[in-house]
Amino acid sequence: SQQGEEDPQALSIQEGENATMNCSYKTSINNLQWYRQNSGRGLVHLILIRSNEREKHSGRLRVTLDTSKKSSSLLITASRAADTASYFCATPDSWGKLQFGAGTQVVVTP
Amino acid sequence: DAEITQSPRHKITETGRQVTLACHQTWNHNNMFWYRQDLGHGLRLIHYSYGVQDTNKGEVSDGYSVSRSNTEDLPLTLESAASSQTSVYFCASAGGALGTGELFFGEGSRLTVL
Repeated sequence: SQQGEEDPQALSIQEGENATMNCSYKTSINNLQWYRQNSGRGLVHLILIRSNEREKHSGRLRVTLDTSKKSSSLLITASRAADTASYFCATPDSWGKLQFGAGTQVVVTP
Repeated sequence: DAEITQSPRHKITETGRQVTLACHQTWNHNNMFWYRQDLGHGLRLIHYSYGVQDTNKGEVSDGYSVSRSNTEDLPLTLESAASSQTSVYFCASAGGALGTGELFFGEGSRLTVL
């Protein structure tokens, strides 16, 4: 069963715009992770935010975590065509195994 | 550089045949995982291992088996391939305490069962 669910399922934007996607999860966590998957490739880790953190930045990425609402958001600022990919949130279950959502497919057009 | 590699990258087989997908990592990670990815389901955990001689079932383990004879390898075997096992399979590894750090993924193995 999926722990995290991303919203929206798909997002289409133009280069230079910001892209925001959300993740909701069901049970208490000690961290939440975001991954990117380019078409035909494996997943690549983007960022990890711990349960005691509210916001984290990495380059053009900004992640927020609201443990009271059991939700997280990933913001990509000033998007580029190379940001076209699927984005997944993942949370560890009670044994530490990561569970992934179905992902948000982002298309950035030049 | 350390890496995780999967082979074959593409495989077509027939129903009922045994298939083995290889996964090899040079990170020296204790934790290794096999996921399958299907449209609408995201990634689902098949089997995982915390170290040599340790294997555990994930949420979709029926019809699959793994073995861990060394740190580097976790081969996934489909004992008798079924059309429902047509999917993209990803191997991943992680170091440290489980769930506290990132997973490193292979590039995937696309399996088609006819």
